This record gives sequence, C-alpha cells and structure tokens, in this order.
Amino acid sequence: AQKVTQAQTEISVVEKEDVTLDCVYETRDTTYYLFWYKQPPSGELVFLIRRNSFDEQNEISGRYSWNFQKSTSSFNFTITASQVVDSAVYFCALSPLGDTGRRALTFGSGTRLQVQP
Amino acid sequence: DTEVTQTPKHLVMGMTNKKSLKCEQHMGHRAMYWYKQKAKKPPELMFVYSYEKLSINESVPSRFSPECPNSSLLNLHLHALQPEDSALYLCASSQDQDRGLTKNIQYFGAGTRLSVL
Repeated sequence: AQKVTQAQTEISVVEKEDVTLDCVYETRDTTYYLFWYKQPPSGELVFLIRRNSFDEQNEISGRYSWNFQKSTSSFNFTITASQVVDSAVYFCALSPLGDTGRRALTFGSGTRLQVQP
Repeated sequence: DTEVTQTPKHLVMGMTNKKSLKCEQHMGHRAMYWYKQKAKKPPELMFVYSYEKLSINESVPSRFSPECPNSSLLNLHLHALQPEDSALYLCASSQDQDRGLTKNIQYFGAGTRLSVL
C-alpha cells in the first residue's frame, strides 16, 4: 500500500517570504516516482516536478526548489520569495514504476498556500 | 503542448438525467484517466485506459460508464446520479512508452464541475 502525508493543511505567508511544503510518503516499492502538482482556484492540476526514486539530486527551477531525501521518505518543496500568484493548493503524489495499470497517482491531502500581499 | 481539454466546464443535472463528460488530448498519449475530486479533498482515481482498453476500474458504481472511442478521446457517461456525486471530475493523460523525460507524467484538464440536484 502507498501513502502520502502532507501534514500542513493550510499555510499563510506574506509576499516575499520563503515557504516550505512538507511531504512524507510510504511505499513498499523499491522504485517509484514522486510528483508535485499545483491546483489554483480554477481547478486545473498543474504539473510542477517529477522525481525518480533513484535520483536524489535536489532540483531548483526559478523560485522553486525540491529536497528529496530517501532516508527519511520526504520530498519537500520550497518556494523562495513567494508571490500572490503562488496561492493555490499543492499536492504531493506518488506512483510506482511499471505498466500503466499500476501508474495510478496516490495523492496527499494537499496543502493550501495563501500568500498575502 | 500539454493541453487536455474537458467539456463542459460546468454541468447541472437532475437525478434522472443522462449526460456525458468529454476529454480530449492531442499529445499522442496512450493512457487516459478519470479522477473525481470532492471539495477540499485530493483527486481520487476512477478509471484508467491504456491503449483504448480499460485497465483499472476503482470499484466505481455502474451509474458512471467510461468510454474510450479512440486514442485521443475519453468520455464519461453519467446516468441516474446521486447528489453525493457532485464533484469536480478531472481527466488526465500520459505517455505509455518511454519517450525521453515525459514518461508517466500525468497532464490534467481543467475539469468539469458537476452538480447533481
């Protein structure tokens, strides 16, 4: 069984603050993918990043960075110098490698980020 | 282009109505998905199609009937729904074969907000 936990239900910050969204996962698979998606009020889930379980390099994309630590089963997401447009619900998700039948995404419960001007 | 188009955006239906949701993608993806998302909850997988064949049905009630007429199109036929079926219905697609770095990334549409009266 797979499980993704996002313990932070809601975070509120003031613009330009840095914010970290936590994600902890459980899986019996030895190889898997981890994802972050953003869901603005419009409803569409926007893909942000995918990480393979065998690649523990951290990644930075503009104001976004991700810290993957297999030893603690965590895949945290940091937004630097937050902006009002970052306000959204952020989901961490997990899927096994393998054929399509097993590629269903298991989502965490989501973290609602509100960035105040 | 990573666009998944869903129509209609909004749908209100009575419990005796029959309606259909439509999802279309032109990215050459061979895996397509239906998810259901209740307010303030993560998406929950309903169905997975791989190469136009149903590969996963997550014990969804028969009042939801999926159909994949071709590799670009996915429908969800609705009949005799209940008020508790009111939700955001999301469609997603992904490549089924390893083509570089985009394998197994699910791209989502904006969803159909369904209200059952």
